[in-house]
Amino acid sequence: DARVTQTPRHKVTEMGQEVTMRCQPILGHNTVFWYRQTMMQGLELLAYFRNRAPLDDSGMPKDRFSAEMPDATLATLKIQPSEPRDSAVYFCASGPNTGYEQYFGPGTRLTVT
Amino acid sequence: EDQVTQSPEALRLQEGESSSLNCSYTVSGLRGLFWYRQDPGKGPEFLFTLYSAGEEKEKERLKATLTKKESFLHITAPKPEDSATYLCAVQVRNTGNQFYFGTGTSLTVIP
Repeated sequence: DARVTQTPRHKVTEMGQEVTMRCQPILGHNTVFWYRQTMMQGLELLAYFRNRAPLDDSGMPKDRFSAEMPDATLATLKIQPSEPRDSAVYFCASGPNTGYEQYFGPGTRLTVT
Repeated sequence: EDQVTQSPEALRLQEGESSSLNCSYTVSGLRGLFWYRQDPGKGPEFLFTLYSAGEEKEKERLKATLTKKESFLHITAPKPEDSATYLCAVQVRNTGNQFYFGTGTSLTVIP
């Protein structure tokens, strides 16, 4: 049963600290997405990759957020420095191609105090 | 401006009481419309993709339809296990092929 995995599942950190979230997409999927979900804003697309190359990151605050795919089995989302307003659930999703369905991971719940 | 709006925000149904959820969109060019189901504490789960007006997809008690301005998710004879938040998303045909999600409809089916 192929699934997207995310680590850590929960993260509590203090303002100003660096946070790194990791995602393992489903083997064979060539698109990877990072989303942020809050009660107020719902699901927001932060960035997405196709064949490990960034296609769009216009939804991401560039001064503190960065997303990379070091290889086909790992995607990372980094926040440095973190702020309380970054508190949210961060989802990674992967898909067989753009324009097709996405399969979401269980999310990382981030709390910045 | 590209926009996705879902209604109602919340819906309570008696078991067996059929209804429809709405997703209206205003985009420069639609590449695809997607329906997802999200249970509390979990990631969204893919249900359907629709690509062109007139298209319909079915899965068990759910049926999704698409027009040029909106999509409906019809739920026939719902059961308590259908309780969840249903999300609609569109992919826009532009340079970045952006995705936009609606804020969802929270469905509660009462036994």
